[in-house]
Amino acid sequence: NAGVTQTPKFQVLKTGQSMTLQCAQDMNHNSMYWYRQDPGMGLRLIYYSASEGTTDKGEVPNGYNVSRLNKREFSLRLESAAPSQTSVYFCASSVLTVDTQYFGPGTRLTVL
Amino acid sequence: AQTVTQSQPEMSVQEAETVTLSCTYDTSESDYYLFWYKQPPSRQMILVIRQEAYKQQNATENRFSVNFQKAAKSFSLKISDSQLGDAAMYFCAYRSAFNTDKLIFGTGTRLQVFP
Repeated sequence: NAGVTQTPKFQVLKTGQSMTLQCAQDMNHNSMYWYRQDPGMGLRLIYYSASEGTTDKGEVPNGYNVSRLNKREFSLRLESAAPSQTSVYFCASSVLTVDTQYFGPGTRLTVL
Repeated sequence: AQTVTQSQPEMSVQEAETVTLSCTYDTSESDYYLFWYKQPPSRQMILVIRQEAYKQQNATENRFSVNFQKAAKSFSLKISDSQLGDAAMYFCAYRSAFNTDKLIFGTGTRLQVFP
């Protein structure tokens, strides 16, 4: 039982490049989330998916898109990366949005 | 809007001693959940403890316990018999019982444990 997995663990991009961060969970959870963590700050919600087939914006959605591919997988896409998107990205999941969230190990992204 | 404040950027404790991390929050809601998450150097966010606002009894998980003061909007974490493995960033988080989609995090407290 791996829990929440994220790929890649590290990534360096140039400004304007695109990439997709992958997240998968094997806990049969309905809800999934993407957060970013910047130095000196707590995690902030980018997008979430309350259930398969739905996605909604969080606190800081600009510059990102998401896809809930199936119940297990929830991807985050940066279409045109900017230095302001340098951050650590965490995926999380929960049974329902009312339940405790469990986090993946994070992806450290640097945009030059 | 709800906010979570952790006023201690860093704390330190001697191994086997007890340390308390502070957290205050601001909300106009009566029903909500509070969490403490631990983030070790591996970066993995690990749930330490959870408290439902409607429960008067303070949550406890082994060496970890909370002091939940609803009227004061305070939610502190006490770590007893501190161990070297407790060294990490600790984040306090709030979630509404009504708008359940997001966790609101504080800025974290870095805990150092000395042998």
